[in-house]
Amino acid sequence: GENVEQHPSTLSVQEGDSAVIKCTYSDSASNYFPWYKQELGKRPQLIIDIRSNVGEKKDQRIAVTLNKTAKHFSLHITETQPEDSAVYFCAAAPTRVKAAGNKLTFGGGTRVLVKP
Amino acid sequence: GAGVSQSPRYKVAKRGQDVALRCDPISGHVSLFWYQQALGQGPEFLTYFQNEAQLDKSGLPSDRFFAERPEGSVSTLKIQRTQQEDSAVYLCASSHAGTAYEQYFGPGTRLTVT
Repeated sequence: GENVEQHPSTLSVQEGDSAVIKCTYSDSASNYFPWYKQELGKRPQLIIDIRSNVGEKKDQRIAVTLNKTAKHFSLHITETQPEDSAVYFCAAAPTRVKAAGNKLTFGGGTRVLVKP
Repeated sequence: GAGVSQSPRYKVAKRGQDVALRCDPISGHVSLFWYQQALGQGPEFLTYFQNEAQLDKSGLPSDRFFAERPEGSVSTLKIQRTQQEDSAVYLCASSHAGTAYEQYFGPGTRLTVT
């Protein structure tokens, strides 16, 4: 089955600096890669996702890049703010219509702390 | 619009008791997923429904775990004879797509087995 590794496990940055989180996956059938932000005691919140037909996607201060050949993808947060402090999870999934296997496999999470 | 809701938010069960956890997906969402999240870890897949059909239950840890979605909307995750290792947050997610795309999560049910 799919295995997703995420690094680093913790990341401390100064407000205004950039943060980068990296993930690798093992299953070449995976073609959907979302990122979730989870604050303490709250639900995981989908912040951005990328599908395998594109290499990069941006949404304001966040961007994701995907290298299918190397099986890795990354989240970039620019101009970090204290409210960006949370645990971030990457995930990978195949997308199969009307079939089993449509499940997200999550990385272990990265705890991001943005210091004012 | 209303997001995914789950009830109860917290559940304390004595070892050996049965529990039932409810998920109300976003209206019209075809796909529904259950995940288990242990403290400090990422969610782990339990089971997946497309409408009322349970297409994947490969993540259910034992035959004590059972899920249903009889009318293709609300889903219930039932755990029989709870054990301490069942303590976790149980998350439900729904998606408008018939695939893994764009899953939106509920707030979870925190189950503590004593």
